[in-house]
Amino acid sequence: DTEVTQTPKHLVMGMTNKKSLKCEQHMGHRAMYWYKQKAKKPPELMFVYSYEKLSINESVPSRFSPECPNSSLLNLHLHALQPEDSALYLCASSQPGGGSYGYTFGSGTRLTVV
Amino acid sequence: EDQVTQSPEALRLQEGESSSLNCSYTVSGLRGLFWYRQDPGKGPEFLFTLYSAGEEKEKERLKATLTKKESFLHITAPKPEDSATYLCAVQARTGNQFYFGTGTSLTVIP
Repeated sequence: DTEVTQTPKHLVMGMTNKKSLKCEQHMGHRAMYWYKQKAKKPPELMFVYSYEKLSINESVPSRFSPECPNSSLLNLHLHALQPEDSALYLCASSQPGGGSYGYTFGSGTRLTVV
Repeated sequence: EDQVTQSPEALRLQEGESSSLNCSYTVSGLRGLFWYRQDPGKGPEFLFTLYSAGEEKEKERLKATLTKKESFLHITAPKPEDSATYLCAVQARTGNQFYFGTGTSLTVIP
C-alpha cells in the first residue's frame, strides 16, 4: 500500500475531452510533484509545488494544468491532449528539499489518449 | 550539467546468482543519491538514501554503496521476486528536483 493515493488508476480520453488526475497524501509533506513516465523510460519531472505554490514548471505544454488546492491535494487538469501524451502519470510528495527518504510516489494513473 | 547513467540497461540472473548494478553520476554538489525499485505499471518504491562517499546501506538481499562518482546496488542470492526495474536518482545541493537514471531492468530466473 502506498501513502500517496492517485485516482483514477486508468483513464482513456479523447483528444477533445477534459479530465483531471487527482493525488492525495496525508504524510504532512509540503512538496508535491507530477512526473510523466513513458514505457521503459525514467520518470520526467513536470511540476513541483512547494508549500502549495508552483515552484517549478519544466516547460510543460499548457494542455496540462496543475492545481494544488491545499497541502494534501494535487490535481492535474488535462485538456486537448495528443496521443503522444499517453503515459503513466506519477504523483510524489516529500518534505521540501527532498528529505531523507526522497520522494514517496503514488501508483500512478495510466493515461491513454485516443 | 547534472547527469545520471545506469548500467547495464537489462540484466538476467539465475536465482542465487549475485551481481551488481551501477549508477554513475555527475552533479554539482551531491545532496543525496537515492535507489528505487519499480514494478511494471507501479510507482517507484524507495529503497535507500546515500549521502557521502564510503556510506553503505543494506536491506535484505540488497546493499547500496557510494563513491564520489558512482553507486552500486549489490544483489546477493537474488530471488524471482527481486525482478523489477531499479532506478537511481541524484539530488543536487541546489534545487529541489531529482535527476533519474534510465534504470536497470532485472529479471531473476527460477
